Amino acid sequence: EVQLLESGGGLVQPGGSLRLSCAASGFTFSSYAMNWVRQAPGKGLEWVSVISESGGVTAYADSVKGRFAISRDNSKNTLYLQISSLSAGDTAIYYCAKVRLRGDRACDIWGQGTMVTVYS
Amino acid sequence: DIQMTQSPSSVSASVGDRVTITCRASQGISSSLAWYQQKSGKAPKLLIYAASSLQSGVPSRFSGSGSGTDFTLTISSLQPEDFATYYCQQANSFPLTFGGGTKVEIK
Repeated sequence: EVQLLESGGGLVQPGGSLRLSCAASGFTFSSYAMNWVRQAPGKGLEWVSVISESGGVTAYADSVKGRFAISRDNSKNTLYLQISSLSAGDTAIYYCAKVRLRGDRACDIWGQGTMVTVYS
Repeated sequence: DIQMTQSPSSVSASVGDRVTITCRASQGISSSLAWYQQKSGKAPKLLIYAASSLQSGVPSRFSGSGSGTDFTLTISSLQPEDFATYYCQQANSFPLTFGGGTKVEIK
């Protein structure tokens, strides 16, 4: 079964950091670009970051550029998102999502999400 | 950045109704558009990619159309399991952007 499982979310104070993980199974992880998408409580979806199949190319939303870092370990079938300098506006469910095909930007598989709460 | 505008933001409909949701891009995106369904407390689910291609396993009552800047998601006969929020997403360029969502509610 194709599956993505996020972990690493939690409660963090403003200015703090967390590392989110996304474990992939059921498909050839190294063949697909991967995204992080977040959703603030009661709000819509916001794309956060993307990483290419090999990890050599990354891109970020302006709202997180310079504070978040996406990476992947293809030997461990795992995607990461290091999030730092957090503020209340970063409170959200963070989803990892697999692109449907190489070169496509629609996401066909999503994890269940991990909640990040920034509180003071 | 490409802005995606969805309408309506909510719609009340009955089982069996035909429901149409529209999405407009702030600039042309060819057919690079996806539609997702999200149920409360769940992750989004891909319904349509490339504006009109049905994702595997998605019922045929869902259909998508459009190109350029104007797109439509149609549910031909609303079923109880279709009550959810629907999002469009442009897949033309980064940053990827989503519409604000359309909540389909029970009338």
